[in-house]
Amino acid sequence: AQTVTQSQPEMSVQEAETVTLSCTYDTSESDYYLFWYKQPPSRQMILVIRQEAYKQQNATENRFSVNFQKAAKSFSLKISDSQLGDAAMYFCAYRSLGGSNYKLTFGKGTLLTVNP
Amino acid sequence: AAGVIQSPRHLIKEKRETATLKCYPIPRHDTVYWYQQGPGQDPQFLISFYEKMQSDKGSIPDRFSAQQFSDYHSELNMSSLELGDSALYFCASSSMRWAYNEQFFGPGTRLTVL
Repeated sequence: AQTVTQSQPEMSVQEAETVTLSCTYDTSESDYYLFWYKQPPSRQMILVIRQEAYKQQNATENRFSVNFQKAAKSFSLKISDSQLGDAAMYFCAYRSLGGSNYKLTFGKGTLLTVNP
Repeated sequence: AAGVIQSPRHLIKEKRETATLKCYPIPRHDTVYWYQQGPGQDPQFLISFYEKMQSDKGSIPDRFSAQQFSDYHSELNMSSLELGDSALYFCASSSMRWAYNEQFFGPGTRLTVL
């Protein structure tokens, strides 16, 4: 079974600065997807960014980028130019590539605070 | 764009009662997933359906059952409710026809068991 570990229960960043959230995972599969989800106080789950394991290039979505290290099974999220609206719980998630097992396996989350 | 609809948004029940949560996926999505998120916890996968058939099962108690209907909406039935069932229940939907099979989450149903 796959596991996802987020070792930082809480992080804080000053507005306009950069912060990196860590995520490691364990799997025996060679192909899979990795995701970062944002959960603001509304509790809505919002997809931030995705990464396909078979792609070496790190995914980027505007101010959000990842550092994907497949050999190290590491998948960190970098938020640049942090904004007050980025304050939320962030979950790292794993999903198998094929078969019938498309469920998401989440880490415990990192609560990000953005200070003005 | 249409999103995943869940009803009710809030539900309060007594111990040992039953509850039914409903999920209406995005149009033309063929797969529905249910997740349970306890207070301060990460979402835990319960069960999924593809084309009205159960496709995967997670840590769903035997007291819970679910199904997907011909119009692709899904219902999660919960019986003999316990205090520990108090949680936010998410439904997500996706389409196997899309390359990423990305899951889109509904707003959740907050269940409180007293």
